[in-house]
Amino acid sequence: DVVMTQSPLSLPVTLGQPASISCRSSQSLVHSDGNTYLNWFQQRPGQSPRRLIYKVSNRDSGVPDRFSGSGSGTDFTLKISRVEAEDVGVYYCMQGTHWPLTFGGGTKVEIK
Amino acid sequence: QVQLVQSGAEVKKPGSSVKVSCKASGGTFSSYGFSWVRQAPGQGLEWMGGVIPIFDTAKYAQKFEGRVTITADESTRTAYMELSSLRSEDTAIYYCARDRLGTIDFWGQGTLVTVSS
Repeated sequence: DVVMTQSPLSLPVTLGQPASISCRSSQSLVHSDGNTYLNWFQQRPGQSPRRLIYKVSNRDSGVPDRFSGSGSGTDFTLKISRVEAEDVGVYYCMQGTHWPLTFGGGTKVEIK
Repeated sequence: QVQLVQSGAEVKKPGSSVKVSCKASGGTFSSYGFSWVRQAPGQGLEWMGGVIPIFDTAKYAQKFEGRVTITADESTRTAYMELSSLRSEDTAIYYCARDRLGTIDFWGQGTLVTVSS
């Protein structure tokens, strides 16, 4: 199985400041069809996960443009340009290139 | 808008089975897959397996092979996950989620399954 490793585990951030989460995969996530199926999810306290980003950098409808995804191959990043109070929660990366689907361990974003 | 509505919380004895349902509304049903992902208390997300209704085929994570059965009923637009031989470590929130082409786009509200004697 592809192992997804996220860092940091916890990310205390000051409101209005940027935040960055890293996600590394144990093998390349480039699919034979040329796409890279790397997703980012946000899970606010007490809620179901919600997709933010798919195929590395495509933002879902309704997701604020302060969220952006980048990366390639085995190395990916989720950035929040200016953290707001509603961004508190746990963020997960997930790969869909190789079976089975696998998730990173999560990064908890909290306000300092 | 796509909605996935799951059945309610369950309390089960060790060694028993649980079956959780997930009813889909909005969007097409058959052309998507339905995955089940669980989250133990305070832990991360773990993919258990999934089914593609149009092919009537299911795939399971090796960890759950032999203990989980995932099915889908196109006529009622409902997916099911049955987990047998329950143990305390299976206490978790179980989510159904719609998947296709390497992504999950919608999630159910989650079903808490508690395994306790």
